[in-house]
Amino acid sequence: SQTIHQWPATLVQPVGSPLSLECTVEGTSNPNLYWYRQAAGRGLQLLFYSVGIGQISSEVPQNLSASRPQDRQFILSSKKLLLSDSGFYLCALIPGQGGNGYTFGSGTRLTVV
Amino acid sequence: QKEVEQNSGPLSVPEGAIASLNCTYSDRGSQSFFWYRQYSGKSPELIMSIYSNGDKEDGRFTAQLNKASQYVSLLIRDSQPSDSATYLCAVNKGGYSTLTFGKGTMLLVSP
Repeated sequence: SQTIHQWPATLVQPVGSPLSLECTVEGTSNPNLYWYRQAAGRGLQLLFYSVGIGQISSEVPQNLSASRPQDRQFILSSKKLLLSDSGFYLCALIPGQGGNGYTFGSGTRLTVV
Repeated sequence: QKEVEQNSGPLSVPEGAIASLNCTYSDRGSQSFFWYRQYSGKSPELIMSIYSNGDKEDGRFTAQLNKASQYVSLLIRDSQPSDSATYLCAVNKGGYSTLTFGKGTMLLVSP
């Protein structure tokens, strides 16, 4: 079965600071990978998805970016955080051989102060 | 128009009762439908998927789909306090297409 590793679990960052969240995958090759954000009182918002190395699709224009330098690694970044970037960031996958819905990682709770 | 709509709740039911959670969606091209359970502070976990009209049962859970009415529901029989969580409805157009989530319905099961 597939496993998604996300770290850190919680993060407190000042406004204007950079951000790097990493997601790594085990147990599957060539997965589709997704970054979602869940803000307080709001639903899960798709931020980025990737169907392969170096292939990134952005769903929401904002100050965040994503990269996929390796097949099983997906990184979410920001050069300068805003207060509105606070939320619960979730990495998800569909395995390369197809699957039944997403598997989510444990998430990173980001608070921008 | 919101793509996936759910009543935010909370839906309160006594232990042992049937909990009924509902979801409507706007895209008639949607083909795959999922229910996720999310405990407070945790990530969502998949509990049911359904792809064709009718009912699908898995243990205490039954998912119901009516594509003509663009309606998906989740029934939880013999509700337990451990079922207290937020239930997220999600839809996509099949295959590797992205999932669109509702905001979720909070379920509270009282002992």
